[in-house]
Amino acid sequence: GAVVSQHPSRVICKSGTSVKIECRSLDFQATTMFWYRQFPKQSLMLMATSNEGSKATYEQGVEKDKFLINHASLTLSTLTVTSAHPEDSSFYICSAREGLAGHVTDTQYFGPGTRLTVL
Amino acid sequence: AQKVTQAQTEISVVEKEDVTLDCVYETRDTTYYLFWYKQPPSGELVFLIRRNSFDEQNEISGRYSWNFQKSTSSFNFTITASQVVDSAVYFCALSEGGSYNQGGKLIFGQGTELSVKP
Repeated sequence: GAVVSQHPSRVICKSGTSVKIECRSLDFQATTMFWYRQFPKQSLMLMATSNEGSKATYEQGVEKDKFLINHASLTLSTLTVTSAHPEDSSFYICSAREGLAGHVTDTQYFGPGTRLTVL
Repeated sequence: AQKVTQAQTEISVVEKEDVTLDCVYETRDTTYYLFWYKQPPSGELVFLIRRNSFDEQNEISGRYSWNFQKSTSSFNFTITASQVVDSAVYFCALSEGGSYNQGGKLIFGQGTELSVKP
């Protein structure tokens, strides 16, 4: 149980294009999903918290107009990197927090990540 | 402010050695959760354990064991008889208790890269 998928696993795009990354919880409902960014040899940096049916909460320094997050259902959240530039190249990881009605287990399960390369 | 410190950046051991990964945390909350995740070269984070702040009982799972001590704000992870497949980056993380729809952000340590050589 508690499987999170992420698609695509790897994407290469030209500068100026937009890229959409999907995150799905496969066998549980997730009212809350998180998006992280990880640079080589570094820890995970939280970008935003996504709650189903409401606007995402972005961490300080993260441009909400550049990283669009949509959490339209209890099993799907998407991150769109708009007008991507080479400095946006990174490893993007999503996680889903298992949440049963009225109770939160507070365990986050992570997707396999998406490696974005912007040329 | 919440903070997680993993002072060991890299550790290298020979197979079958025991190894302990240190984790020290800071939080003002009385209710919080501590986690360990493993990130192998493939990149996917694998959940290893969750411990809540009211449960100081140590845990053993096969070759893995965890020592939670609130008095020293530490949550250390020991691998017994290490194997090459244990080579990965290990992250300790802290989450302050969230409600159904709020909070629950994970604060990660910097990670410890464990290399187990044959």
